[in-house]
Formats: sequence, structure tokens, C-alpha cells
Amino acid sequence: DAGVIQSPRHEVTEMGQEVTLRCKPISGHNSLFWYRQTMMRGLELLIYFNNNVPIDDSGMPEDRFSAKMPNASFSTLKIQPSEPRDSAVYFCASSLGGSPLHFGNGTRLTVT
Amino acid sequence: ILNVEQSPQSLHVQEGDSTNFTCSFPSSNFYALHWYRWETAKSPEALFVMTLNGDEKKKGRISATLNTKEGYSYLYIKGSQPEDSATYLCASNTDKLIFGTGTRLQVFP
Repeated sequence: DAGVIQSPRHEVTEMGQEVTLRCKPISGHNSLFWYRQTMMRGLELLIYFNNNVPIDDSGMPEDRFSAKMPNASFSTLKIQPSEPRDSAVYFCASSLGGSPLHFGNGTRLTVT
Repeated sequence: ILNVEQSPQSLHVQEGDSTNFTCSFPSSNFYALHWYRWETAKSPEALFVMTLNGDEKKKGRISATLNTKEGYSYLYIKGSQPEDSATYLCASNTDKLIFGTGTRLQVFP
């Protein structure tokens, strides 16, 4: 198993541009989580899906952020328009039932 | 307690010392408590998932205990080694998995 796969690993973009982060969970896992890591707030839960359905998106900062999971093997997190304060490492994680989370390697986003 | 809180924020110990740190979490609607180890430039890796009050889990020199009634868990490392240096995260699962900000451990040789 290749684990949770995120792309890209690094993204540098200019303020105002659209950014799309991608995640492929572990096959067979039914829960998928998007977290954001910042120095100030540590790991923040943005949104999580169960069986491809968004369960809780209360952590999504504002309307500029959106996430989709069109099928069990793919999810996207989109920021439009991006702002410098969105700069962070974004982690995707998946799990099956109450099992531990398996994290991807993260996407380091820099918005200039 | 509304959030998951960890203490101390950071810890420096000498190789061979034993150490422990604390995770406090909301005791209402408790479902599970997770511990993760997060090395620099890597992604968090699971250590334990604990669900039962009084539960104790062990993996090598690392062990953890759980008190769901009072809402805390302790992580112990016996005989710390430099390779134990990492940030240790706990996460409480009530209706969603919320992480604490971690305890950053540095073990000096």
C-alpha cells in the first residue's frame, strides 16, 4: 500500500490565484480528513468526509475554501482566491472506522 | 475543558532519562484518544488509540494511560534516546478528531 498520497508537495502561488490540493486516501478507508498546520495553531481540522460525504466543515476558514470528494479514492481542497495568510502545510489523512489516522506527506503552500 | 490541551509545550531531557507528558481532553461524549509521534519533515504516525477508562498501552519504551472520567492521558517514555526526539500529539475523538498542539521533546546525548 502506497499510503495516503498528496500532491503537489510544494505549491508557490501569487495572491489571488486559485490553488487546488489533491489527496488519494488509502484504498478501503472510509474517512478522509483535511488538516492545516500552522506555527500558531498547530494541526487544525478543516473538514472531514465519511463515505465521501462531508460530515463537518466547521473548520473551513471562510468561503474561499472548498473541499470535494467525488469518489472514495480522491479528494480536493481548493482555495479561491488565495491570500498570504493561507500559507501553511496542508495534510490529508484517512482512516477506517475508529482506526488511527494515516497521514499523507503534506502540501506546503506559500502564497506571496 | 473545551479543547484538547497538552503540557508541557516543550521538553528537553538527557539521554537515559525517563519522561512523561499530559493530554487533557473533554470528558463528555468521549469516544477515543489517539497519540501520534511527529518527526520533523515527516507526517504524524500513530502510536496508540485508547478507548477504555483505565486502559494502558505499551509499545517498546513508550506507554500511555487513559482516564476518561477526568479527561486526561499520560504518555511515558522510559530511558529516552535521541531518536525519540519528536513532537508528540494527542487527539480526542468525540464527534470529530481534534488535536492538541503537541509536546516537543528533545533528547540530548
